[in-house]
Amino acid sequence: AQKVTQAQTEISVVEKEDVTLDCVYETRDTTYYLFWYKQPPSGELVFLIRRNSFDEQNEISGRYSWNFQKSTSSFNFTITASQVVDSAVYFCALSEVGNQGGKLIFGQGTELSVKP
Amino acid sequence: DAGVIQSPRHEVTEMGQEVTLRCKPISGHDYLFWYRQTMMRGLELLIYFNNNVPIDDSGMPEDRFSAKMPNASFSTLKIQPSEPRDSAVYFCASSSYRTEAFFGQGTRLTVV
Repeated sequence: AQKVTQAQTEISVVEKEDVTLDCVYETRDTTYYLFWYKQPPSGELVFLIRRNSFDEQNEISGRYSWNFQKSTSSFNFTITASQVVDSAVYFCALSEVGNQGGKLIFGQGTELSVKP
Repeated sequence: DAGVIQSPRHEVTEMGQEVTLRCKPISGHDYLFWYRQTMMRGLELLIYFNNNVPIDDSGMPEDRFSAKMPNASFSTLKIQPSEPRDSAVYFCASSSYRTEAFFGQGTRLTVV
């Protein structure tokens, strides 16, 4: 069965600190997609990134970076120089390749609080 | 495109009443998903459609829940009769084959 685990329920940092959100997944599929979504206090779910299981290259987008390690079944998310606007709940998710991109197994989420 | 549009944004209803949640997917997307978010269970998939046809409804909790997609631009999720434990945020999402899902703003349902 597929499963996504986000062991960190809540993280609190001070502005400008770097923070890493952990994500560990389980799947028997050899090909799959991994995602991160952001849920700000307003409640919507905002897509951040999708990664194919064949592509283990790390990715950087501005202050955001993602580290995908298939050997440890992890897809961690780092925010560099955090800002108050980064305060949100962040979800890691998994879906099968060849599958509908919206059929997602979500982790329980990590609530990030960035204090000024 | 305006994105996935859900209505209403908030719904408060009394136990036993029928509740209908509505969703307009992004034009051109052929997959539509209904998710529910609760504190206890997190985000869980209820049902999804492909080309207006229900494909997997294994996540629908009970027969009180039903979903329809009469055309490519509209879907409903109905709860009849509603119960307090149905209180949650219900999200609709749409996607194309192999693309990420785009979520609506959600409907916060409170059953009293």
